[in-house]
Amino acid sequence: KNQVEQSPQSLIILEGKNCTLQCNYTVSPFSNLRWYKQDTGRGPVSLTIMTFSENTKSNGRYTATLDADTKQSSLHITASQLSDSASYICVVIPAGKSTFGDGTTLTVKP
Amino acid sequence: DAGVIQSPRHEVTEMGQEVTLRCKPISGHDYLFWYRQTMMRGLELLIYFNNNVPIDDSGMPEDRFSAKMPNASFSTLKIQPSEPRDSAVYFCASSRQFKQFFGPGTRLTVL
Repeated sequence: KNQVEQSPQSLIILEGKNCTLQCNYTVSPFSNLRWYKQDTGRGPVSLTIMTFSENTKSNGRYTATLDADTKQSSLHITASQLSDSASYICVVIPAGKSTFGDGTTLTVKP
Repeated sequence: DAGVIQSPRHEVTEMGQEVTLRCKPISGHDYLFWYRQTMMRGLELLIYFNNNVPIDDSGMPEDRFSAKMPNASFSTLKIQPSEPRDSAVYFCASSRQFKQFFGPGTRLTVL
């Protein structure tokens, strides 16, 4: 069982709509949790980085939240654009090896 | 800054051959990471260095894989001998604090 589970696996939304991606983890303790965006054929790009003591972190239209009690994080995308179509990966970084979720593939349609 | 530079961008080789992937991190960054990405396993951390010293290589799949960082501006990931199941995109990333910057990746195909 993966220690970092993301949902949904894939999501299709219309341009301009909001969406929320989920990340549930069992890795504990950890130093920080990150969300990455990966466009097809390109390397991941860091969107947000949160330590375990932070509840929310924003980066433009991207807002990540973290609930350390329930071990859940979410990435909220506001007013989606076609360029938001990508894979979004949640990564939990403990003292040792990073643990990656399988990602959520987001498709934004016009 | 040019960002993290990886070479080659694409590599096609035959099973049994030695493969060497190269990475130049961003100047001033003291952490360097090697990742592998496949459809089946997603993104996996293979090994990371701090100040040129390997810190955690528990993600290296087997002895056929080795990584070196002879200086702060260069690292290699070597696979010898290569196997078809090694086919993947290999990413190098560097960081100074928390935020990692990824290179464009090397797409490796082992026939």
